[in-house]
Amino acid sequence: DQQVKQNSPSLSVQEGRISILNCDYTNSMFDYFLWYKKYPAEGPTFLISISSIKDKNEDGRFTVFLNKSAKHLSLHIVPSQPGDSAVYFCAASASTGNQFYFGTGTSLTVIP
Amino acid sequence: GAGVSQSPSNKVTEKGKDVELRCDPISGHTALYWYRQSLGQGLEFLIYFQGNSAPDKSGLPSDRFSAERTGGSVSTLTIQRTQQEDSAVYLCASSPLPPNRPGEKLFFGSGTQLSVL
Repeated sequence: DQQVKQNSPSLSVQEGRISILNCDYTNSMFDYFLWYKKYPAEGPTFLISISSIKDKNEDGRFTVFLNKSAKHLSLHIVPSQPGDSAVYFCAASASTGNQFYFGTGTSLTVIP
Repeated sequence: GAGVSQSPSNKVTEKGKDVELRCDPISGHTALYWYRQSLGQGLEFLIYFQGNSAPDKSGLPSDRFSAERTGGSVSTLTIQRTQQEDSAVYLCASSPLPPNRPGEKLFFGSGTQLSVL
């Protein structure tokens, strides 16, 4: 049972435009969410996180939005750059648990 | 080293053979996780260590899978009698914090690509 879902396997965006990556979750106990970025042949690297007490967290070009009622979060990248081309994973955890649950990833391509 | 180190980076084995995958976490990180990613799938949790003990083994898919951690540092994941469905990228991650403390995040290694023929 996939508790974290990324329904778009891929996304293409022109350089300079906004990239929006979406993530849905089913477990209402999740209270901490992260986004990871992965280049080929490398492990995922942490990008940005958000706690359920917030609905927005911003770090430079990256902003994560959380809608708890809809069990939905999104990652906005503005402006998008070619170096942002990678696979992005959404992850979630519950304070009572021992693991992070990951989505299947969205492959972002930023076209120069 | 500065990051999480995994070896080997690639492993090709024959069905039925045993394999050992190694993870060297970031020094001082008490939490260690094993995940795997099969083709087209997300990261699947396998096991979590806090120090040398494994409070959560719930993700191990069968009794052919086992893992240990010694000295609160290096961990090995062993797969006995490998099957073709075991083919995947096996990722190790470590964290300085216990699970779900504020600000916890995982630091991943580059993974071991396991191919079972």
